[in-house]
Amino acid sequence: EIVMTQSPATLSVSPGERATLSCRASQSVSSNLAWYQQKPGQAPRLLIYDASTRATGIPARFSGSGSGTEFTLTISSLQSEDFAVYYCQQYNNWAPRWTFGQGTKVEIK
Amino acid sequence: QVQLVESGGGLVKPGGSLRLSCAASGFTITNYYMSWIRQAPGKGLEWVSSISTSGSAIYYADSVKGRFTISRDNAKNSLFLQMNSLRAEDTAVYFCARGELWFDYWGQGTLITVSS
Repeated sequence: EIVMTQSPATLSVSPGERATLSCRASQSVSSNLAWYQQKPGQAPRLLIYDASTRATGIPARFSGSGSGTEFTLTISSLQSEDFAVYYCQQYNNWAPRWTFGQGTKVEIK
Repeated sequence: QVQLVESGGGLVKPGGSLRLSCAASGFTITNYYMSWIRQAPGKGLEWVSSISTSGSAIYYADSVKGRFTISRDNAKNSLFLQMNSLRAEDTAVYFCARGELWFDYWGQGTLITVSS
């Protein structure tokens, strides 16, 4: 099983600052990685897929990078609506095909 | 527009059964992989089960294999999850979601509480 590890668990950032979130896979997943944002009481929202492609309607301040085992989600200038929990998720062709990281909470500093 | 609406959640005793439904609109579920993903209270996301476009490929997490069954009704454009032999650790919000690799649309979720 591919284990996804996100760091840090909590990131304290001031509005307008940059946030950098990390996701590490226990073995290579190529570019088969997605990022989601989840706010309290809501379903997750797809932000990034294929490691670096923004989903429809996602602002340009969100960017993803990386391949293999190391991935990064960057929020260039945090807005008030960006304070949330972020999850990475890998997809592959062997079981289990989909696994999530444990999440990074981005909170107001 | 694409919409997924789950139903069927509630309180059930350990060892009991429950059937979740997910009504899809704005697209045809046979054109997409469909999945169930759950989230225990205060915890992260856990993939549970998926069904392929043809229905010929079905996948389960080890934690639910042999107890849960995913299915769909093409005529009703709906996805289902039959959950048997429920355990306390199955307590979670269950989301249905669309997608084969990543999940681009999610329902609002339905809460399952397994408790005596």
